[in-house]
Amino acid sequence: KAGVTQTPRYLIKTRGQQVTLSCSPISGHRSVSWYQQTPGQGLQFLFEYFSETQRNKGNFPGRFSGRQFSNSRSEMNVSTLELGDSALYLCASSLLAGGVPDTQYFGPGTRLTVL
Amino acid sequence: QKEVEQNSGPLSVPEGAIASLNCTYSDRGSQSFFWYRQYSGKSPELIMSIYSNGDKEDGRFTAQLNKASQYVSLLIRDSQPSDSATYLCAVSRNSGGYQKVTFGTGTKLQVIP
Repeated sequence: KAGVTQTPRYLIKTRGQQVTLSCSPISGHRSVSWYQQTPGQGLQFLFEYFSETQRNKGNFPGRFSGRQFSNSRSEMNVSTLELGDSALYLCASSLLAGGVPDTQYFGPGTRLTVL
Repeated sequence: QKEVEQNSGPLSVPEGAIASLNCTYSDRGSQSFFWYRQYSGKSPELIMSIYSNGDKEDGRFTAQLNKASQYVSLLIRDSQPSDSATYLCAVSRNSGGYQKVTFGTGTKLQVIP
């Protein structure tokens, strides 16, 4: 079974631009979560989608948004980029059958650099 | 108080020794516990999951859970230089119909040849 895939793997943007990152979960997984990882803050939860619905959101500004499609693929968007948005963005998928806490499997991440 | 706490390290152990990594959590309703390994510049990969009190062994890795003390640990026997990485503890619970997963900031392990 193929793992979680994320595209692109690397991005370089300038302040004020916007960016869209994509995540394809493991086949059959319906839950997709996004995290931001920086050296100082560790893994910070952004949001979680299940069946095209955002069910949980972390403490990030509204510039960070996401969506999930009917095939469970997910995208996240960051508008008006700031230098502090430079980070590794990780997507994780889980089966989440019946709402029971389940293992999250991570994709390789997208390394975003904002200049 | 952080929801999931780990000593950031680095924890240095000689090759062949036992490495002991610890994690405490604050939410008594936590149901699932995970250890991830993350190499520098890579994404986290799952090592172990544990759901009930006691020990769970998988090869050189043993996870230990004590819900009463809100404590979970990971032991790595016969540590190898390839085990040098950051180890993330994650704690999960079902909250309002969705899964809430909280990660610790990780412990950096260095295995000295």
